[in-house]
Amino acid sequence: GAVVSQHPSWVICKSGTSVKIECRSLDFQATTMFWYRQFPKQSLMLMATSNEGSKATYEQGVEKDKFLINHASLTLSTLTVTSAHPEDSSFYICSARTGDPGTIYFGEGSWLTVV
Amino acid sequence: AQKITQTQPGMFVQEKEAVTLDCTYDTSDPSYGLFWYKQPSSGEMIFLIYQGSYDQQNATEGRYSLNFQKARKSANLVISASQLGDSAMYFCAMRERGTGNQFYFGTGTSLTVIP
Repeated sequence: GAVVSQHPSWVICKSGTSVKIECRSLDFQATTMFWYRQFPKQSLMLMATSNEGSKATYEQGVEKDKFLINHASLTLSTLTVTSAHPEDSSFYICSARTGDPGTIYFGEGSWLTVV
Repeated sequence: AQKITQTQPGMFVQEKEAVTLDCTYDTSDPSYGLFWYKQPSSGEMIFLIYQGSYDQQNATEGRYSLNFQKARKSANLVISASQLGDSAMYFCAMRERGTGNQFYFGTGTSLTVIP
């Protein structure tokens, strides 16, 4: 079964509102979690890396104030898309690492549609 | 049960040689897609190759080919003429039509190309 759970799988929100996506590690404590966004050519762009209890490290070009990432516990990281716009519509997926180097487990992804 | 299984945590290959990375999958959905991604140290997930469940021929993209054996539920990635730049993590993934295109990833194989 899934060891990393993402919720919701699908979400539709109105333009200008905020939406939160959760990523939970079910069977292990995830020292590090990663957030990706999928672009049309199927590649997944790394948005940010989050370590429990510290601020996320964002990749270049990713707006920190727009994509808020919180890693409040060793089993939960959240991505909040603030003031969402239609261009934020995409597939977002998280992964969690068990240690260093550890094993990486992916969530099943979340489809966001902003209307 | 795991949807995607990659049994090789690490692999080594001599430069210019071919290498096969194993991937088996588990699904009862007749319609699904199989993907391979390369993850260099930068962290992004680069899409390499796709195989649809109804495709009659094995997918090929340059030096990458997918050895699709439907009855065995395997989708091995073959990299021909390995290059030093091929050293990276490789992830196999699947999407099922029935689950709304959620992604299921394996735990990855670390490939090291030796000069």
